[in-house]
Amino acid sequence: AQSVTQLGSHVSVSEGALVLLRCNYSSSVPPYLFWYVQYPNQGLQLLLKYTTGATLVKGINGFEAEFKKSETSFHLTKPSAHMSDAAEYFCAAGVQAGTALIFGKGTTLSVSS
Amino acid sequence: KAGVTQTPRYLIKTRGQQVTLSCSPISGHRSVSWYQQTPGQGLQFLFEYFSETQRNKGNFPGRFSGRQFSNSRSEMNVSTLELGDSALYLCASSRGTDTQYFGPGTRLTVL
Repeated sequence: AQSVTQLGSHVSVSEGALVLLRCNYSSSVPPYLFWYVQYPNQGLQLLLKYTTGATLVKGINGFEAEFKKSETSFHLTKPSAHMSDAAEYFCAAGVQAGTALIFGKGTTLSVSS
Repeated sequence: KAGVTQTPRYLIKTRGQQVTLSCSPISGHRSVSWYQQTPGQGLQFLFEYFSETQRNKGNFPGRFSGRQFSNSRSEMNVSTLELGDSALYLCASSRGTDTQYFGPGTRLTVL
């Protein structure tokens, strides 16, 4: 069965520091992969996605992620954290892009000044 | 282009009652998926409707049902509410094989 694991339920960084949120998936077939962000009392906003092609994917707000098939990973990074990045981040996978996504448990990112 | 809208945003019900939630997808999107978000179980896929037909279904009891109308709007119904049904219910729309875009959710509280 397909599953998504996010390492670290809570990550704290200083403003300006590197952000690294880890995501591993299990699948016999490379899935479609997504990162979503959720701010308090809001829905999910798409940050970036990997479907096929280039393994380094750039998203909104300076985030990027690299698909590594050999490691079954799709870690999210941002070179310099901003206070506005504080939110909950979800990694998701699906054998189809348009439905039935499997989500990780989420990682709460805190950014301190 | 308007995003996914969900109504109502907040709802309070008592055990045993039933509830209907509504979702209007992005214009041109024919697929609507529903997810339940709880602190304990996280985000879980309920079901997906595409062109008025249920195309995929998650592992939820039959108390959870849905439907889709010809204009792609979707409703989700939960009958005989239990305390554990308290959650944020998120709707997502897509063209069918592309990225899902999520609405703001409906917060259901069961007392």
